[in-house]
Amino acid sequence: GAGVSQSPRYKVAKRGQDVALRCDPISGHVSLFWYQQALGQGPEFLTYFQNEAQLDKSGLPSDRFFAERPEGSVSTLKIQRTQQEDSAVYLCASSLAGGQGRRNQPQHFGDGTRLSIL
Amino acid sequence: AQRVTQPEKLLSVFKGAPVELKCNYSYSGSPELFWYVQYSRQRLQLLLRHISRESIKGFTADLNKGETSFHLKKPFAQEEDSAMYYCALSGQGGSTLGRLYFGRGTQLTVWP
Repeated sequence: GAGVSQSPRYKVAKRGQDVALRCDPISGHVSLFWYQQALGQGPEFLTYFQNEAQLDKSGLPSDRFFAERPEGSVSTLKIQRTQQEDSAVYLCASSLAGGQGRRNQPQHFGDGTRLSIL
Repeated sequence: AQRVTQPEKLLSVFKGAPVELKCNYSYSGSPELFWYVQYSRQRLQLLLRHISRESIKGFTADLNKGETSFHLKKPFAQEEDSAMYYCALSGQGGSTLGRLYFGRGTQLTVWP
């Protein structure tokens, strides 16, 4: 069916507000990634899920950032007490399973959510 | 530490001219290299990966481990090649299999 779907496409929030960004991966894709892309930069890794397990959250910039994927499908990235430096495009990507000893599977990206903090 | 360097932020060529987008990397293990492309108003999409050794839309890229480079080349650029190109690296194995490290991107413009 459709590719990776992200919502909302655009989000404007006042500094200090909490925001939640949603990602619907391609059906059957086990791996899910979140990236942050600042203006003029390439995407930077935030966190990675394999099914519902968050295996790596080393890229999350602070404890204000939280991600979940409770049923191994849809994922939500939440940012609490937003700051101006959180303004960026947040990209979600999904891929087929890639476990130990297996080659990387191509990642399929969504359109991203453009977050602007005023 | 992992790093992907794309030295050119902007690159312009005329239609029919050869084009080369440079990418250098640093990685302690055995990386997998990719080129992603983003056309205007479209999402990021995979163009090619080094393990496939294939040509996509006339583009090729060879992994040079000695020079730690993965330059993207096309002998005759077309106007529809105008886009943002990102070089990316991924490690092999481990719990973060698939995590991508991106360069900052090169905006290619092909003039008619």
